[in-house]
Amino acid sequence: AQSVTQLGSHVSVSEGALVLLRCNYSSSVPPYLFWYVQYPNQGLQLLLKYTTGATLVKGINGFEAEFKKSETSFHLTKPSAHMSDAAEYFCAVSFSGSARQLTFGSGTQLTVLP
Amino acid sequence: KAGVTQTPRYLIKTRGQQVTLSCSPISGHRSVSWYQQTPGQGLQFLFEYFSETQRNKGNFPGRFSGRQFSNSRSEMNVSTLELGDSALYLCASSLTGSPMSEKLFFGSGTQLSVL
Repeated sequence: AQSVTQLGSHVSVSEGALVLLRCNYSSSVPPYLFWYVQYPNQGLQLLLKYTTGATLVKGINGFEAEFKKSETSFHLTKPSAHMSDAAEYFCAVSFSGSARQLTFGSGTQLTVLP
Repeated sequence: KAGVTQTPRYLIKTRGQQVTLSCSPISGHRSVSWYQQTPGQGLQFLFEYFSETQRNKGNFPGRFSGRQFSNSRSEMNVSTLELGDSALYLCASSLTGSPMSEKLFFGSGTQLSVL
């Protein structure tokens, strides 16, 4: 079955520390992969996406993610956390070939400590 | 440029009633998708409309329906409401409906509470 798993529903980091949010998927064919961020009382905003080509993808706000086919992973990283990064992060996968029909992970709430 | 607008922001209904939610996409966008967000099930795809036609549908019962108008505005309807329909309903628009070359722009959602 096709699925998306985000390890860790809550992650806390200190300001300036590395951010690492984990995402694994289950699929027989390489899917298209996305990371979205949701701030309180707001809709989702696209951080970055992987469709084809270079497996290291850079997004907005200093985030990047690397597609590793052998590990079926698409982990999100940022070298230095800012207080403004505190939000909920969702990994999403398109198994259908459409960027609008997405299967989302359960989300990871990122807390940034001063 | 105005973003995706969803109305109303909050709704309270009772079991058995029906509800209609509205979504106005970004000007010029022709594709509208709907998602349901709950603490238990997370974000789940409901359906997608492009040029007034439903193109994809998620795994929801027939009580959930939608439509899109010629101006790209979309509505979704839920009939015979159940307690489990309480959720944040998110609408997202995109420009042309091309499969992978563009991104979704989400609205802030409509929070539906069923009592």
